Amino acid sequence: QMQLQESGPGLVKASGTLSLTCVVFGGSISSNNWWSWVRQPPGKGLEWIGEIYHSGSTNYNPSLKSRVTMSLDKSKDRLSLKLSSVTAADTAVYYCAREPPRGNSNSEYLKAFDIWGQGTMATVSS
Amino acid sequence: EIVLTQSPGTLSLSPGERATLSCRASQSVTSNYLAWYQQKPGQAPRLLIYGASIRATGVPDRFSGAGSGTDFTLTINRLEPEDFAVYFCQQYGSPPPIFTFGPGTTVDIK
Repeated sequence: QMQLQESGPGLVKASGTLSLTCVVFGGSISSNNWWSWVRQPPGKGLEWIGEIYHSGSTNYNPSLKSRVTMSLDKSKDRLSLKLSSVTAADTAVYYCAREPPRGNSNSEYLKAFDIWGQGTMATVSS
Repeated sequence: EIVLTQSPGTLSLSPGERATLSCRASQSVTSNYLAWYQQKPGQAPRLLIYGASIRATGVPDRFSGAGSGTDFTLTINRLEPEDFAVYFCQQYGSPPPIFTFGPGTTVDIK
């Protein structure tokens, strides 16, 4: 069964760049899925950051687009997220998540996330 | 951008009772791309419902979703002890492609 595992530095200085990775176990990052990053500030709700397909195609949340870069390493089944110019407002648990296709479709997707990593906490310090 | 509002903010119920959670969108949700998640403390969200009414794999049938357009409901029949958690709704819209989440409803033990 596919599992996702995020990792990152834990602590990032304000104005710096947050770099996180997510490794896919029990499956391939090159499979027909979209891969998203979602974050959750402590005690608050969920915010979608963006998504990437194995072709390298990306879509970002317009509110974060200017600061976000997503990439993937197919040889290591690994996703990466970079968020630049971080502030305290970027302190959150960061999750990677899978959006699978709907049924046997090659082009229609669930528009929901069926597998999530356990999350990694990133704290921005001043 | 579509904004999701969930009500009530907190629902206090006893095991065995029925929970009815509401999710209202500021505009019509495309193709009923509306999902529900359950989240327990210290855990990642768990997908319960997608397409407004389709249960995800392994989700007990006491969970059901309904609605269309701007008004959606998650119903949990006969609450079990493990159902006390926070529930989020989520929609997908485009263009541009974007997923947004509601603020959540906490179901706690009365």
